[in-house]
Amino acid sequence: LAKTTQPISMDSYEGQEVNITCSHNNIATNDYITWYQQFPSQGPRFIIQGYKTKVTNEVASLFIPADRKSSTLSLPRVSLSDTAVYYCLVANSSNTGKLIFGQGTTLQVKP
Amino acid sequence: GAGVSQSPRYKVAKRGQDVALRCDPISGHVSLFWYQQALGQGPEFLTYFQNEAQLDKSGLPSDRFFAERPEGSVSTLKIQRTQQEDSAVYLCASSLNRGLHQPQHFGDGTRLSIL
Repeated sequence: LAKTTQPISMDSYEGQEVNITCSHNNIATNDYITWYQQFPSQGPRFIIQGYKTKVTNEVASLFIPADRKSSTLSLPRVSLSDTAVYYCLVANSSNTGKLIFGQGTTLQVKP
Repeated sequence: GAGVSQSPRYKVAKRGQDVALRCDPISGHVSLFWYQQALGQGPEFLTYFQNEAQLDKSGLPSDRFFAERPEGSVSTLKIQRTQQEDSAVYLCASSLNRGLHQPQHFGDGTRLSIL
């Protein structure tokens, strides 16, 4: 399974748009890209998933360039409650192999 | 709504004791995952079930760790002869369909402390 690389931490201010980029140079043809959010003392929560181009839901957008070697999670107008750790995960539809979360990106939103 | 439920929420055990951690996945979810999360780290994959079949257990750190899902719903992670390095949060997740790429629904974990 493809390994991912993300920035360890990011700072932002309330109301700003935040973009977190994940590198996955070894992504395979049938791999999907998934992002999770985790608050302290809670399990991760699914945010968004994509395969190519752009995906948008009520909380975020996911941009994936044509070569799919990276992806960017975009959070519009963040608030203090968006302070959390964000994980990028690459996985395919097979049933074997480890799922690698990595260390994630700690986003700190300031007032 | 009914999410993934894990029990106990906290567990303290003495080194050498056996522990059992329970996971109740979302009803009807085919896939079930166990992870270990150390403080300040991301979740580390332990094992994966599809219904009652354990398809991947490559992440289990030693033969002291054992997981089962006998009827394809509730799962138990057992750790025998616990050691201090087993102290961590153990997360369970389930997903509706087969495949590692399926979005997972996580419980809030069991925090295990080995004294």
